Amino acid sequence: AQKITQTQPGMFVQEKEAVTLDCTYDTSDPSYGLFWYKQPSSGEMIFLIYQGSYDQQNATEGRYSLNFQKARKSANLVISASQLGDSAMYFCAMREKGLQGAQKLVFGQGTRLTINP
Amino acid sequence: NAGVMQNPRHLVRRRGQEARLRCSPMKGHSHVYWYRQLPEEGLKFMVYLQKENIIDESGMPKERFSAEFPKEGPSILRIQQVVRGDSAAYFCASSPRIEANYGYTFGSGTRLTVV
Repeated sequence: AQKITQTQPGMFVQEKEAVTLDCTYDTSDPSYGLFWYKQPSSGEMIFLIYQGSYDQQNATEGRYSLNFQKARKSANLVISASQLGDSAMYFCAMREKGLQGAQKLVFGQGTRLTINP
Repeated sequence: NAGVMQNPRHLVRRRGQEARLRCSPMKGHSHVYWYRQLPEEGLKFMVYLQKENIIDESGMPKERFSAEFPKEGPSILRIQQVVRGDSAAYFCASSPRIEANYGYTFGSGTRLTVV
């Protein structure tokens, strides 16, 4: 079974600092995808970034980058120059193969990030 | 191009009543997924549907829960005889194809409260 672990229940960071949110995963499938989602207090799930297991380079999307270390099975999210609006829950997820080719996401427990002014 | 639309946004039901949650996927998306989020937890997969077909319902509780995605209209997640433990946020996601790297778009969720 595949598994996602986020070991930081909560993090507090000063505005404008960079922050790294940890995510480790466990899978025996050589082909997989890793996602990060942001969930603000309003509750919606906002896609941030995706990394494929065969991607040669770390994914980047604006201020978000994914530090992908395949041998360590880690996919940490790095947010540069944090802003007050970054305060939210952050979820790491992995795509898992289900029945009849279904592709479903397995989520970690999340990290609550608070940006202090 | 509207995103994934879920309604209602909030739903309150008394124990024993039925809850019907609706999800309209993004235009052009024919794959729908339902997830449940208990308080302070991550989302957990419930069911994956294509038009008129349930493909994978391995995450659905065996009793009281059902889902459909008819040829016309939204996908429906139905919970019969709700209990307090069903209180959660229910999210729907859609994608244009079976394997989507960027295409898992989530709706805003339906927050079900059972009193």
